[in-house]
Amino acid sequence: AQSVAQPEDQVNVAEGNPLTVKCTYSVSGNPYLFWYVQYPNRGLQFLLKYITGDNLVKGSYGFEAEFNKSQTSFHLKKPSALVSDSALYFCAVRDNYGQNFVFGPGTRLSVLP
Amino acid sequence: DGGITQSPKYLFRKEGQNVTLSCEQNLNHDAMYWYRQDPGQGLRLIYYSQIVNDFQKGDIAEGYSVSREKKESFPLTVTSAQKNPTAFYLCASARTGTTDTQYFGPGTRLTVL
Repeated sequence: AQSVAQPEDQVNVAEGNPLTVKCTYSVSGNPYLFWYVQYPNRGLQFLLKYITGDNLVKGSYGFEAEFNKSQTSFHLKKPSALVSDSALYFCAVRDNYGQNFVFGPGTRLSVLP
Repeated sequence: DGGITQSPKYLFRKEGQNVTLSCEQNLNHDAMYWYRQDPGQGLRLIYYSQIVNDFQKGDIAEGYSVSREKKESFPLTVTSAQKNPTAFYLCASARTGTTDTQYFGPGTRLTVL
């Protein structure tokens, strides 16, 4: 069965500093990995996904993610954090049958001015 | 939030009443999903549907029911059998390919008085 872990409940970073939100996964077969962001009382917004190819995936709002097959990780990164990046971030994997998505528990990112 | 709408945004219910949450999409997606989100927790899958007139239980289906009479619509009924229905409910849709992205509606916050 597929699973996703986000080892940090909370990440704090100063504005202008680089940020990393960690995600590790367990999946049989090829991993299809996603990052979403959720602002308060809103639905999840899609940021980026890894399907195949280049291990560095670029997405919306300046975010990128690095896929590492040997470490089964898919960490979300941004070179320079903004206060407006403060939100809840979810990593997800889609199962090999294409039916369901498995979500991690979420990481709350706080960017301090 | 794309082409997925949920209504109402806020809903109040008295104990013992059934209530139906609406979800409509104009993305021509075959698959639709309902998730429940509680404070400090991730997303839990209630029901999903891959095709019209067919749906499957997710991880926490007890006390909920759905229908899928049209491709565009996937309403969720929270019945009086659901013991703790106060939560944020998210609807999502996707194509059924394994690499396709899931898109979310803006959510409905249900409060039981």
